[in-house]
Amino acid sequence: EVQLLESGGGLVQPGGSLRLSCAASGFTFSSYAMSWVRQAPGKGLEWVSAISGSGGSTYYADSVKGRFTISRDNSKNTLYLQMNSLRAEDTAVYYCAKEEDSSIAARRGLDYWGQGTLVTVSS
Amino acid sequence: QSVLTQPPSASGTPGQRVTISCSGSSSNIGSNYVYWYQQLPGTAPKLLIYRNNQRPSGVPDRFSGSKSGTSASLAISGLRSEDEADYYCAAWDDSLSRVFGGGTKLTVL
Repeated sequence: EVQLLESGGGLVQPGGSLRLSCAASGFTFSSYAMSWVRQAPGKGLEWVSAISGSGGSTYYADSVKGRFTISRDNSKNTLYLQMNSLRAEDTAVYYCAKEEDSSIAARRGLDYWGQGTLVTVSS
Repeated sequence: QSVLTQPPSASGTPGQRVTISCSGSSSNIGSNYVYWYQQLPGTAPKLLIYRNNQRPSGVPDRFSGSKSGTSASLAISGLRSEDEADYYCAAWDDSLSRVFGGGTKLTVL
């Protein structure tokens, strides 16, 4: 059974940093690309970032480019999102999700999602 | 404003058939697969339809997807109270950015 468990969310001041983690199990982690998707309170889904199965290719939404960094440790079956220069508009539940394919270039979809972790940016 | 356009709400009575539309452009829906996700209240999204019209195992055949040109639609037949949820369409854009619709809140009257 595929399981994705996010952690690391919390309250942070504007301009601060936070690192999210996503522990994966139930599948061969290194064989699949992964993504982060966020959902602001009462709002819709917004894709944040994706990384290939090898970790060699990364992609970002314009809204977070230059501030967020996605990475993965295939030896630990863990996905990360380093978030710097946080803004109030980054407040959201952040979901970790498994891609259908190992390559983002395949342009497939997200077939499993974690339960999410809440990030609140406020002074 | 979302790149993919969905109606904000839809409704139907039990047993009815409801469709939800998703409109995009040649750079996203027109040239890439469309996916649909169901988000029940207070839960994480779940894959409902993949690659335009395929159902994952466990998804009832009451749910179906279709795509034509730069638009796609999700149809739910034999509507049930447990179908009350938010539904999102998604696709990759040719710029290698994933785009979502704004979501449609389905109410079962």
